[in-house]
Amino acid sequence: DQQVKQNSPSLSVQEGRISILNCDYTNSMFDYFLWYKKYPAEGPTFLISISSIKDKNEDGRFTVFLNKSAKHLSLHIVPSQPGDSAVYFCAASAGTGANNLFFGTGTRLTVIP
Amino acid sequence: DVKVTQSSRYLVKRTGEKVFLECVQDMDHENMFWYRQDPGLGLRLIYFSYDVKMKEKGDIPEGYSVSREKKERFSLILESASTNQTSMYLCASRIGSGKLFFGSGTQLSVL
Repeated sequence: DQQVKQNSPSLSVQEGRISILNCDYTNSMFDYFLWYKKYPAEGPTFLISISSIKDKNEDGRFTVFLNKSAKHLSLHIVPSQPGDSAVYFCAASAGTGANNLFFGTGTRLTVIP
Repeated sequence: DVKVTQSSRYLVKRTGEKVFLECVQDMDHENMFWYRQDPGLGLRLIYFSYDVKMKEKGDIPEGYSVSREKKERFSLILESASTNQTSMYLCASRIGSGKLFFGSGTQLSVL
């Protein structure tokens, strides 16, 4: 059963506008959340993370928001750039076990120049 | 910076062949992982290892095996490759419960 869900397989945004990528989770034990970005024929690269003790984390153009009561997180990219076009994966972690990271199915973001 | 190196970027194999995918990390990480990525299915965990000679099955271990003889190296073995194993294979490592560091991936085509 998919514990981390990204319900939008794709998203298109105009350059300069805001991109909002969404992620929902079902396991209330998740306490650490990450976003990865993946270009074609490359491995995913870490983008930004957030701990459950926070509701927002910002890094330059990227901000992640966490709503624990709704079990929902979102990644905001402002302003969007063509180089942001990639597949974005949401991941969630529960506890400290070696195998505790669960990935969503990804959202393909296309930023139109 | 952590470096996770996968030996091949692209591989083409025949059905029934035994296939070895190699992965090396340079940061003394205890935990290493093999995922496959397929469109619409995200990243699915095949196997992981939390120490030398230790391994655990992930979500989709059927048709695969792994080997970890040294801490820095984690190999994925397809005992008898099949067409449904055509995929992007991603190796990753991490220390403790921190973030994963991924290799560049191996795009495997089984004909």
